[in-house]
Amino acid sequence: DAKTTQPNSMESNEEEPVHLPCNHSTISGTDYIHWYRQLPSQGPEYVIHGLTSNVNNRMASLAIAEDRKSSTLILHRATLRDAAVYYCILRDPGNTGFQKLVFGTGTRLLVSP
Amino acid sequence: GAVVSQHPSWVICKSGTSVKIECRSLDFQATTMFWYRQFPKQSLMLMATSNEGSKATYEQGVEKDKFLINHASLTLSTLTVTSAHPEDSSFYICSASGAGGNTIYFGEGSWLTVV
Repeated sequence: DAKTTQPNSMESNEEEPVHLPCNHSTISGTDYIHWYRQLPSQGPEYVIHGLTSNVNNRMASLAIAEDRKSSTLILHRATLRDAAVYYCILRDPGNTGFQKLVFGTGTRLLVSP
Repeated sequence: GAVVSQHPSWVICKSGTSVKIECRSLDFQATTMFWYRQFPKQSLMLMATSNEGSKATYEQGVEKDKFLINHASLTLSTLTVTSAHPEDSSFYICSASGAGGNTIYFGEGSWLTVV
């Protein structure tokens, strides 16, 4: 499986935008970039995913580099409830077992009031 | 939206006993579910793939006789930790995918404490 690299932790202030980077230099042409987050003592939850184009949803935006070797999850206005561990995961729907998510260490986002 | 539910949310058991954790897909059928374990301050570690109507597939290093998985119906998978020891204390999480498998839904997790 192609690997992702994320910073261990990041800090933000409430109401400010947050940019969470992810490097995936060995990404294949068929890998989708998925982001999940895990709030304390909860199971992970889906945030957003994309293949090549930038994506927006009600939770966040995903900016994907032109060469697809990196991506950035953007939280437009961080709230205290956004404090979580954010995981960047590559998934190839063409692979058998693509439903099996392999989690890296993720980025722990701290949000200050 | 689709929901995956786990029960119990937390359980305390004595060393040497067995404990069962249930994972249910509430509004969709899941032929495949996944079980993860997470120790404090660590990431999720995939333990096994639960296949409806057939044997589970375990990841390397996970003891299949200790972590029994049963997937008897399209909406229920169970994980039984047999002869539990304090080192089995952990946060256990299941996941399932809806139709097409594009979106993965996770349960709320189950805290196991073995005393």
